[in-house]
Amino acid sequence: DIQMTQSPSSLSASVGDRVTITCRASQDIRNYLAWFQQKPGKAPKSLIYAASSLQSGVPSKFSGSGSGTDFTLTISSLQPEDFATYYCQQYNSYPLTFGGGTKVEIK
Amino acid sequence: EVQLLESGGGLEQPGGSLRLSCAASGFTFRSYAMSWVRQAPGKGLEWVSSITGSGGTTYYADSVKGRFTISRDNSKNTLYLQMNSLRAEDTALYYCARFRGTTGTTHFDSWGQGTLVTVSS
Repeated sequence: DIQMTQSPSSLSASVGDRVTITCRASQDIRNYLAWFQQKPGKAPKSLIYAASSLQSGVPSKFSGSGSGTDFTLTISSLQPEDFATYYCQQYNSYPLTFGGGTKVEIK
Repeated sequence: EVQLLESGGGLEQPGGSLRLSCAASGFTFRSYAMSWVRQAPGKGLEWVSSITGSGGTTYYADSVKGRFTISRDNSKNTLYLQMNSLRAEDTALYYCARFRGTTGTTHFDSWGQGTLVTVSS
C-alpha cells in the first residue's frame, strides 16, 4: 500500500499569512494526487486534483504542486474561512490512501 | 447540481448488519464510478470501497474485505454498502463520494454529507 505522510499535522497562522502544507508518498504516484478541505462537522470538499488542477469553483488562492513523491498545497493569503483540516489523497493505485491531515488553526 | 444523500446509518451491535444507501441526483449516475469513504470520530479519512459506473468492477479496503459489499442500482440512481459482521472499529461517519469518470481510477469531485454508523453493545 502507498503511505501518504502530511506535515505538519497542525499549524497556527494569522489572517493574511501564506501557508504551505506538504504531502509525501511512499512511492512514485506520478501526479495522481488530490487535496481536500474539511471544516468541523462538514463533509470534505474537493480542492485540487492531478496535483495542481483546481476543482471548479475553488478560488485561485489555493494552489498545488509536485509530482512523483513530494507535493505541496499552498494558500496564498489565509482568510477566516480557510481555517480547516486539509487532507491529501493518492489515486495512483488501489487501495486509495489519505494523508493524516493538517489542521490549520488561528494564531 | 450534484447531490449525494446518504442514509441507513444507526446503532448496531457487534456482529450485526446494516445497509447504507446513497441517493444520487443532478447527474447521469451510470456514467460515474462511486465510492464509500469513512471517518471514525476525531480521526482522518479512510477509503472503504469503490465501484465502476457499470458496477462490473469493485474494490475494497483490506479492513472490510469479505464483510462489506458495494453495489449500485443505476435504474434507481442509488449506491449501496451492505455491511455484515460489524465490529466496533467500523464506527464512523460514512461518506458517499463521486469519481470524475466511470472507471474509479480518477479523483473524487463530489461528496455527500455522510451517515453515522455506531457499532456497540
